[in-house]
Amino acid sequence: DQQVKQNSPSLSVQEGRISILNCDYTNSMFDYFLWYKKYPAEGPTFLISISSIKDKNEDGRFTVFLNKSAKHLSLHIVPSQPGDSAVYFCAVNNAGNMLTFGGGTRLMVKP
Amino acid sequence: NAGVTQTPKFQVLKTGQSMTLQCAQDMNHNSMYWYRQDPGMGLRLIYYSASEGTTDKGEVPNGYNVSRLNKREFSLRLESAAPSQTSVYFCASRRDTSNTEAFFGQGTRLTVV
Repeated sequence: DQQVKQNSPSLSVQEGRISILNCDYTNSMFDYFLWYKKYPAEGPTFLISISSIKDKNEDGRFTVFLNKSAKHLSLHIVPSQPGDSAVYFCAVNNAGNMLTFGGGTRLMVKP
Repeated sequence: NAGVTQTPKFQVLKTGQSMTLQCAQDMNHNSMYWYRQDPGMGLRLIYYSASEGTTDKGEVPNGYNVSRLNKREFSLRLESAAPSQTSVYFCASRRDTSNTEAFFGQGTRLTVV
């Protein structure tokens, strides 16, 4: 069973608009949530994170929202830029320092 | 600062051959991870090492073995490669606290024919 799911394989938005990427998880005991960005032929790079004691964390154009009752995580990018086009993965910290990732969402930002 | 270094970057193996993927980090991190990335499947955890001297299975450990050689190095071995192991492999490292991010290497693209 997948513990972390990203139900949208791809998302296309216009430059300057908001991008919203979503992630659902199954275990209410997860305590730390992360978003990673990946360009082709490169390793994933860390973007932003949030602890389970918070419901929002902001870093520049990137904001992560956590809805614990719904077991739902989202990443907002405002305004979206063509350079944001990449695959985005959400990840959760599992028991024993294990880090589990979702399937990824490919974001395309059109100029 | 090199971060996480993986070798080799590319490899082609014949079915049944063995090989070891190397990973080293210079950030003094305690935890290290091996993932594979396949189209539509995201990043799946193969094995991880929460600290030097310990290793644990992840989501897809079958067909692989690991060795945490020391604090810096964590290797992944394929004893008898199969076409289903064709993938891109990523190594990552992390400090030993749970509320920190992991840093990834550039990946090894492995093709088994």
